[in-house]
Amino acid sequence: GDSVTQMEGPVTLSEEAFLTINCTYTATGYPSLFWYVQYPGEGLQLLLKATKADDKGSNKGFEATYRKETTSFHLEKGSVQVSDSAVYFCALSEENYGQNFVFGPGTRLSVLP
Amino acid sequence: NAGVTQTPKFRVLKTGQSMTLLCAQDMNHEYMYWYRQDPGMGLRLIHYSVGEGTTAKGEVPDGYNVSRLKKQNFLLGLESAAPSQTSVYFCASRRTGSSYNEQFFGPGTRLTVL
Repeated sequence: GDSVTQMEGPVTLSEEAFLTINCTYTATGYPSLFWYVQYPGEGLQLLLKATKADDKGSNKGFEATYRKETTSFHLEKGSVQVSDSAVYFCALSEENYGQNFVFGPGTRLSVLP
Repeated sequence: NAGVTQTPKFRVLKTGQSMTLLCAQDMNHEYMYWYRQDPGMGLRLIHYSVGEGTTAKGEVPDGYNVSRLKKQNFLLGLESAAPSQTSVYFCASRRTGSSYNEQFFGPGTRLTVL
């Protein structure tokens, strides 16, 4: 079945450092890929998404590129802020199983001033 | 446009008690989901619904029941609460039609079973 794997956390960075959170997936077809962010005490909210190979999703300085050849969707940000401290979830959705959404386990990011 | 709302926000139950969690969405979405989130375990799907009057089991359905009598509401019931059901519960909804439609989440319900 479909699955999403993320790098183990927690990730601790200093403010203005470069961020990469790795995400790889397994799917039978051609999924859409998503990054969600969960701030402390809140629900998940969509950060960015990509719907086909080589698409780049971007939002709030975060970027991720859909790499079909490596089945990856790594999240990057050039300069993190303390306010980026949160848990980040990678997820996928397959066309033929529209109701299904598969989430990765989440990666906790802490940014220190 | 409130999006996805959940009630209550917090609840403490004793073992064996029952309760219902309410999820409501005002986006006319067809799909709705209930997840639980436990420390270190990410999100686990309990039940979901692809339309009014339909429900289906997810990954961890035991001990829970659901109903979708109205399109905008999705109820999660615990008939006899157990300490293992202590968790944060999230509801989500999604428009049908394509795999690129994202899920929209509610703020969560924190449930403690003593």
